Amino acid sequence: EPEVTQTPSHQVTQMGQEVILRCVPISNHLYFYWYRQILGQKVEFLVSFYNNEISEKSEIFDDQFSVERPDGSNFTLKIRSTKLEDSAMYFCASSLAGKQFFGPGTRLTVL
Amino acid sequence: DAKTTQPPSMDCAEGRAANLPCNHSTISGNEYVYWYRQIHSQGPQYIIHGLKNNETNEMASLIITEDRKSSTLILPHATLRDTAVYYCIVRVADTGANSKLTFGKGITLSVRP
Repeated sequence: EPEVTQTPSHQVTQMGQEVILRCVPISNHLYFYWYRQILGQKVEFLVSFYNNEISEKSEIFDDQFSVERPDGSNFTLKIRSTKLEDSAMYFCASSLAGKQFFGPGTRLTVL
Repeated sequence: DAKTTQPPSMDCAEGRAANLPCNHSTISGNEYVYWYRQIHSQGPQYIIHGLKNNETNEMASLIITEDRKSSTLILPHATLRDTAVYYCIVRVADTGANSKLTFGKGITLSVRP
């Protein structure tokens, strides 16, 4: 069964550094999402992406965040200058018709 | 999207049915009820969804009351691997329409041996 994959599984970075989290959505899906989950808290929506542009973004998704689908298969989340509070699990999801399928997540640790 | 209310936790014995309730009294006519679960810190996993009719798939059954103000997710024969946080989410659209998922705290199901 096709699945969403994410790399790396764990990323450790220094505060102020740029990170890129990568996702490979399910191949025929059209809608792509990023969510995050701070340890012990709820899963929070960050951004949705369709037809090569952002469809919706949350308050969390400020100017430090960007998304891109560079080559038709990968979907990336970039954080330009990481902060301590960006430490979280980041989940990518994709959907074709209503049901969203999530990847295993990338644990981002900002020191 | 309409708000949902779930108890914080419940448990059940392995092999027995687990009935997970959800209240969504402000649900609109075009909103669907979705259930997802999250095992440990893994990515949320889709379970089932419905509009007004009861639904069943290989994972679970979804029972929606006639007035659609509440629903119950049924895991017919719970196993230890079903221990997870279960989220009831109400949202518009069952189509390709782009719609975020708004997660609450969910209900933590603990399956005991």
